[in-house]
Amino acid sequence: GENVEQHPSTLSVQEGDSAVIKCTYSDSASNYFPWYKQELGKGPQLIIDIRSNVGEKKDQRIAVTLNKTAKHFSLHITETQPEDSAVYFCAVHPGADGLTFGKGTHLIIQP
Amino acid sequence: KAGVTQTPRYLIKTRGQQVTLSCSPISGHRSVSWYQQTPGQGLQFLFEYFSETQRNKGNFPGRFSGRQFSNSRSEMNVSTLELGDSALYLCASSFREPGAAFAYEQYFGPGTRLTVT
Repeated sequence: GENVEQHPSTLSVQEGDSAVIKCTYSDSASNYFPWYKQELGKGPQLIIDIRSNVGEKKDQRIAVTLNKTAKHFSLHITETQPEDSAVYFCAVHPGADGLTFGKGTHLIIQP
Repeated sequence: KAGVTQTPRYLIKTRGQQVTLSCSPISGHRSVSWYQQTPGQGLQFLFEYFSETQRNKGNFPGRFSGRQFSNSRSEMNVSTLELGDSALYLCASSFREPGAAFAYEQYFGPGTRLTVT
């Protein structure tokens, strides 16, 4: 089955700086790559996604890049703010089963 | 539009008991998926329902089962509870049919926190 690796597990950045989280996957048939943000006591919230026919997608301060050849994709958050502090999960849809998730990145925004 | 709702939000059960969790998808969404979230294993796919039929199933024992009703609401059941079943159970809904030519967004509810003692 699909295997997703996510790095780093914890990321601490100064407020206003950028944060980058990276994921790699194993199944070349995977065609959908969403990112979720999970705050304490809440369910995962879809923040951005990208499909296999697109290399980059941006939504205000958030962007995702996809390299299908290398089988990796990344989340970029610019001008980080305190409310960006949360756990971020990458996920992959291999086309048949449900989403396969990475282990998560705890993003800490230092004031 | 209201989001995905799950009831109850918290449950405490004893080993050997069974439990039923409920999920109401976003209005108009016909696909419901269930996931288990634990600190050790992370988020793991349980099963997916569409039009009252189970379309996909993850690698969980038969003690975990589910169903979907004609109004798209879904329930999942865990029988003969074990300590290791303690987890956050998440439901996600989507408006696309599983296996569609293009991938689909899934929106999660707040989850049901199950504690087995």
